[in-house]
This record gives sequence, structure tokens and C-alpha cells, in this order.
Amino acid sequence: QSALTQPPSASGFPGQSVTISCTGTSRDVGGYVYVSWYQQHPGKAPKLLTYEVSKRPSGVPSRFSGSKSGNTASLTVSGLQAEDEADYYCSSYAGSNTFVFGTGTKVTVL
Amino acid sequence: EVQLVESGGGLVRPGGSLRLSCAASGFTFSDYSMNWVRQAPGKGPEWVSSISSTSKYIYNADSLKGRFTISRDNAKNSLYLQMNSLRAEDTAVYYCARDTSSGISGNFDYWGQGTLVMVSS
Repeated sequence: QSALTQPPSASGFPGQSVTISCTGTSRDVGGYVYVSWYQQHPGKAPKLLTYEVSKRPSGVPSRFSGSKSGNTASLTVSGLQAEDEADYYCSSYAGSNTFVFGTGTKVTVL
Repeated sequence: EVQLVESGGGLVRPGGSLRLSCAASGFTFSDYSMNWVRQAPGKGPEWVSSISSTSKYIYNADSLKGRFTISRDNAKNSLYLQMNSLRAEDTAVYYCARDTSSGISGNFDYWGQGTLVMVSS
């Protein structure tokens, strides 16, 4: 299965919102609710931000929100903070008992 | 506190084998599906394999072509990944990750620190 497509980079000033897209097909993102988002700081393991499109694990701030429309999922980070500067990856169930990650987006806080 | 600690990585020659282990603590291991996810240097994560809480269901990435085998021992709170016929493209940090449920959902809520596997002659 091919990696889901994300923009290589995104940026915003502190306090602003940034939205990252994750584009797949009807065989993955568009076909299932099992879409999740992860944040990864350099040298660290990924951290789950949202799952099943829009659910948030306990402890994840509400300014991280997930959504989906058709074959594209999105993660919005509201009220951008310096510590939000990181790489972000989406993931989706891809059918036939497999999962696929996105290509990743580097978010820069200006 | 949930802790996942991987071990077993290292330098191996092409065609060789390695067995990775993941020691879990801080939660009831037998209640959760578990997963292996790898990340090559400078690349994004790649899902490798998943196993349900009772080992009844096992999912594997097609790209592995049957070279890797996931298993678990609930009595020992441990997850394993047997890797055979290793290739240079298997070089990556291998993470053990907990699923959010007993069934395999692909939602990885806790991750270990990773263990580096380098395949080189």
C-alpha cells in the first residue's frame, strides 16, 4: 500500500491555527473511521494526538482536532505554541488487515 | 505508568536474523493488542505487524513477504518480533506500540523508546 500524502511543511505564528491535510483513497482514508494523527519531536517516539478521525486520548489538549472529508483527513492545531514545532504523521486502516502512515509534515512555529 | 522497553537490536549482516523483544509494564498486558512500527533514518513511520490480545489475530505488512513473525507471551508481559532474511532496507528504529484496545485498531497510544536495527555487511 502507498503512503498517504501530506504536505512536506506547514507553518504559523504563535497563537495562530495550522491545518495539515492527509490525502488517501477510498480504500484507506475514505473508507474507514480508523484515521489517526501522531506528533513526533526529534529523537523521540511518535505521540498519539487523535484517533478514529476525531477522538482525543486523555491528556491531549483540545487545541488538537481531527476531521475527515471524503478521502482527505485533516489535523488542525489551534493556538499554535512553540512546543508544537514537530513532525506530524497521519495513519489509516488500509483494508486487508493492513495500516499505512502518511509522508509526514514538518510544522514550524515562526 | 505505562512502560514499553525494546531490546535486541544491533548490527546484522544481510541475510541474517534478529529477535526483538518488548517488555511491558504499568498496564494489564493481556488486555491490549500490540504492534511493531519501524522508522528508517530520516523517514516516516512504517507499520510492520500487529497481534491481538490473545494472539488470535495477526496482521503483517505485505512488504515483509513473510520474513517477520510477531508473537507475544502474556505470562511474561512481552512482545516479540522474529526477523529473518534481513535486508539493508530493513535498517530502522523498531518501536513497540500498544493499541488502544484488545482488538487490532491501528491506534498506537503508547510507544517504547525504540531499538535500532542496522543491516550492513
